[in-house]
Parts: sequence; structure tokens; C-alpha cells
Amino acid sequence: AQTVTQSQPEMSVQEAETVTLSCTYDTSESDYYLFWYKQPPSRQMILVIRQEAYKQQNATENRFSVNFQKAAKSFSLKISDSQLGDAAMYFCAYRSPFGNEKLTFGTGTRLTIIP
Amino acid sequence: NAGVTQTPKFQVLKTGQSMTLQCAQDMNHEYMSWYRQDPGMGLRLIHYSVGAGITDQGEVPNGYNVSRSTTEDFPLRLLSAAPSQTSVYFCASSTRDRGGYEQYFGPGTRLTVT
Repeated sequence: AQTVTQSQPEMSVQEAETVTLSCTYDTSESDYYLFWYKQPPSRQMILVIRQEAYKQQNATENRFSVNFQKAAKSFSLKISDSQLGDAAMYFCAYRSPFGNEKLTFGTGTRLTIIP
Repeated sequence: NAGVTQTPKFQVLKTGQSMTLQCAQDMNHEYMSWYRQDPGMGLRLIHYSVGAGITDQGEVPNGYNVSRSTTEDFPLRLLSAAPSQTSVYFCASSTRDRGGYEQYFGPGTRLTVT
């Protein structure tokens, strides 16, 4: 079974600075999908960024980018120019290419933005 | 296009009561899932469905039932509520059509069992 580990329960960053959230995973599959979800206080789960394992190029969405290291099974999220609205819980998630669309989540990192 | 909707948003139950959490999606997605979120544990899959009439168990299915009679609806039933079922419940849907694989989440239901 796949597992996802987020080793940083809490992180903080000054507004306008850059922060990196860590995620590692364990799988025996060679093809899969990885996601970062943001959960603000409203509780809504919002997709931030996704990465297909067969793509070597790291995904980027505006101020959000990932560092995907397939051999190391690492999938970190970098947030540049942090804004107050980035304050939230961030979850890393894994999805197999087969079967039931199940997402396996990490335990989350709470990100605080310091004005 | 409302996406994924869930009702109610909040619910308090007494131990032993039963209730149904409603979930509906208007995107014609074939896949629907229920997750629960507990502090420090991320989201865990309860039950899922790959199409109308087809359901299966996820990681933490005990105490919950589901059915899927239509593509749009996927209700989650608590048969006899227990304090251990106090949690936030999320419904999600997705499709593999057109290469899609993103799961869309509803706004969640916070359930407290006393």
C-alpha cells in the first residue's frame, strides 16, 4: 500500500518570502499522480498543483511550483512571494493510475504567513 | 454548474442515532468517494463508487453504508452513530474522461456525536 509522509506539522514564513513544504511517499508503482491540496479555514479542499510521475518536468502554477524527485520519492511544494491568503493547511496526496481513484493523503502542514 | 454539494454543513447526533449525509454532483462524473478528516490524520477513504450501482469499501468503512442509484447522488449512511465517528466528512467526484484525474471536493460536513 502507498503511504504519504509530511514531516512538517507546522511552518511559518514572512509575507513575500519563499517557503518549501516537504512530502515523501512510498510506492512500488512506476506511474502515478501527485497532488498538493490547500485547505483554508473555510474547510474547502482546493487543488493547488498536480504532477504526473511520467513527466520529468516539474509542474508550475503561478507562484506555486514543485520539486519532483522520482528516485527519491520526494514531492515538495515551493510557494514564492507568500501572501496572507496562502495561510492554510496543505496536504500532499498520491493517486495510483489504476483502480478506484483513491487519494492517499499525508497528515498535512499548517502554514502561517507572518505579516 | 454547482460542482459537488453536501448537506448538511453541520450536524450533532446522539450515540445510537442514525442519519444520512447527502452528496450530489452535476458534472456527470463516474467516480465518487467519501472521506473523513480527523485531526493529525489527513483524509481517509470510507467508501467509493466507480459508477451507478457499483460501490466498494475504502480504508475505514466500518459503521457506514453507501449506495449509488444514480450518477449524481452518493449518500453516506451512519447506521448507529458512535463518538468515534465525530469527524469532518468530505464527498469527492472525478472522471477519467478527456484525460481528467482531478478530484473535486464538496464543502464538507462537520459531524459531532455525543
